Amino acid sequence: DAGVIQSPRHEVTEMGQEVTLRCKPISGHDYLFWYRQTMMRGLELLIYFNNNVPIDDSGMPEDRFSAKMPNASFSTLKIQPSEPRDSAVYFCASSLRGTNEKLFFGSGTQLSVL
Amino acid sequence: KQEVTQIPAALSVPEGENLVLNCSFTDSAIYNLQWFRQDPGKGLTSLLLIQSSQREQTSGRLNASLDKSSGRSTLYIAASQPGDSATYLCAVKRSNDYKLSFGAGTTVTVRA
Repeated sequence: DAGVIQSPRHEVTEMGQEVTLRCKPISGHDYLFWYRQTMMRGLELLIYFNNNVPIDDSGMPEDRFSAKMPNASFSTLKIQPSEPRDSAVYFCASSLRGTNEKLFFGSGTQLSVL
Repeated sequence: KQEVTQIPAALSVPEGENLVLNCSFTDSAIYNLQWFRQDPGKGLTSLLLIQSSQREQTSGRLNASLDKSSGRSTLYIAASQPGDSATYLCAVKRSNDYKLSFGAGTTVTVRA
């Protein structure tokens, strides 16, 4: 298996633009997590899905953030409009049984909002 | 709220020396604890997962111990190599929560 695949690896955009981050989880994994990593706050859970259904989005910082999982092999995280404070590395992770088992992370998307 | 602390934030050792990385947590009612490795510009790789009922887990040169009562876990890396240079993070899952609480990590440099 190729592991968790994220795209793009790097995204540079201007404030106010829409940003869409993409994730393909490991086949057969029923849980998908979106995390954000910054130097100041470390790793933060934004939202997680179970069987394509969003279970908890309480970590999503604002209404500008939204996430979808239309099928078991694809998820998106959208920021609209983007702001400089959204600059961070965004990770997607998947697992078989949520956090009861090992999480497998993608390589992340480095987002810079100018 | 679960607080996870990793001290030191960074350490540098010569090749061949054994590494000892520490992780402490405030709430002992945990379900499991994971140790991750993160290379610069990369995602996290899960190294070891210890269930709350276990005292340790081993994989190759890596050994992780867990002492719930004292709120501590230690990751031992035997005979360190330059390829072990990375940031190591621990993450704790509480028994009544699905979330992982991450430490800030220890950045390790192994000098050749």
